Amino acid sequence: DVKVTQSSRYLVKRTGEKVFLECVQDMDHENMFWYRQDPGLGLRLIYFSYDVKMKEKGDIPEGYSVSREKKERFSLILESASTNQTSMYLCASSFRGPYNEQFFGPGTRLTVL
Amino acid sequence: AQSVTQPDIHITVSEGASLELRCNYSYGATPYLFWYVQSPGQGLQLLLKYFSGDTLVQGIKGFEAEFKRSQSSFNLRKPSVHWSDAAEYFCAVGAQGGADGLTFGKGTHLIIQP
Repeated sequence: DVKVTQSSRYLVKRTGEKVFLECVQDMDHENMFWYRQDPGLGLRLIYFSYDVKMKEKGDIPEGYSVSREKKERFSLILESASTNQTSMYLCASSFRGPYNEQFFGPGTRLTVL
Repeated sequence: AQSVTQPDIHITVSEGASLELRCNYSYGATPYLFWYVQSPGQGLQLLLKYFSGDTLVQGIKGFEAEFKRSQSSFNLRKPSVHWSDAAEYFCAVGAQGGADGLTFGKGTHLIIQP
């Protein structure tokens, strides 16, 4: 079974803190993705990576950065957390190609106070 | 850029009844289309996908979807729903030749009445 794991299910941070969300996949997938999920807005792509050290902006990259130093690990970084970044964050991975299934982690619910 | 519309935010269906969830997409070329399901507290799971060939695709858990190019639709159907089908359903489109990220619809929340 494909496994995508996220470092935390729930996280509470304060405004201005630097926040790291970690994602690990065990299927040797080239692609990894970070989405944000908000009620009534569905999932929106923040960043994705198609190879180690490579990254591409998604639809809503502002306020976020990412890091991919190893193929299996993709980190989402909030340099200075703000209350409008309170959300559910979902990581996914897939083989290269837009027709391939994306496998999702369970999500991290981040609250910024 | 591609977009996806799921016109129904909530749908309530009686257990055993048939189900159809609507999805319309906007994309210039032949799209890659997906339906995902999210159970409460879970990540998303792929139900089915379409990228070429037979326009009626079968998925897991008894779901099917039909691609209709003329209507830009990819509606999800199930002949008889079970209480365990209560979940959030997302339609998504992927782009050919571009970035591999998906564009998702806003989701349809399915409620099953006993």
